[in-house]
Amino acid sequence: DGGITQSPKYLFRKEGQNVTLSCEQNLNHDAMYWYRQDPGQGLRLIYYSQIVNDFQKGDIAEGYSVSREKKESFPLTVTSAQKNPTAFYLCASCPGTLNGELFFGEGSRLTVL
Amino acid sequence: AQSVAQPEDQVNVAEGNPLTVKCTYSVSGNPYLFWYVQYPNRGLQFLLKYITGDNLVKGSYGFEAEFNKSQTSFHLKKPSALVSDSALYFCAVRAGSSGNTPLVFGKGTRLSVIA
Repeated sequence: DGGITQSPKYLFRKEGQNVTLSCEQNLNHDAMYWYRQDPGQGLRLIYYSQIVNDFQKGDIAEGYSVSREKKESFPLTVTSAQKNPTAFYLCASCPGTLNGELFFGEGSRLTVL
Repeated sequence: AQSVAQPEDQVNVAEGNPLTVKCTYSVSGNPYLFWYVQYPNRGLQFLLKYITGDNLVKGSYGFEAEFNKSQTSFHLKKPSALVSDSALYFCAVRAGSSGNTPLVFGKGTRLSVIA
């Protein structure tokens, strides 16, 4: 089936450690996105990529990094510089039309101990 | 900048009654509007989207949305609520004029359908 796969589903990290969240899609979409979800705050954009080897910062990029070496993959690294990394992280992709909806993965829940 | 507002954090409705979840938007140019639903610890599922010219949009699971340009609103509706509709609902707008630009989301409205 076509879709977006995020892994791991749950992740625990000690303070000071970097962690990488995986996002893979087989929908042949050019654009991919990372959002962070916190209770009562909706979804906030971290980074997005409109094409391979290119990406842009979103509203809350500090403490995060991404790469887009392949069309199918858009991993997110949560670095030790991120002050409050405990959250639910959502990856999405889009077919690239103006009225095209985003397709979401099932999310990764990161907890910092 | 494009934005959406969901004025209600929580909506409670009895099973079988009609439901409305409100959304207002602010955009420059044509609005590209979307509704999503989220169940606990899951990703967002697409419900419906506004396509220019159709003020009443029908979507998945019996949901529909009414686009009102003069009131800049895009309210989500369902004629008869089910307990299984209880979830978190998000309204979103495309942030720019390119198909790859991100969506900007509202803060979400939690719908609780009571049996």
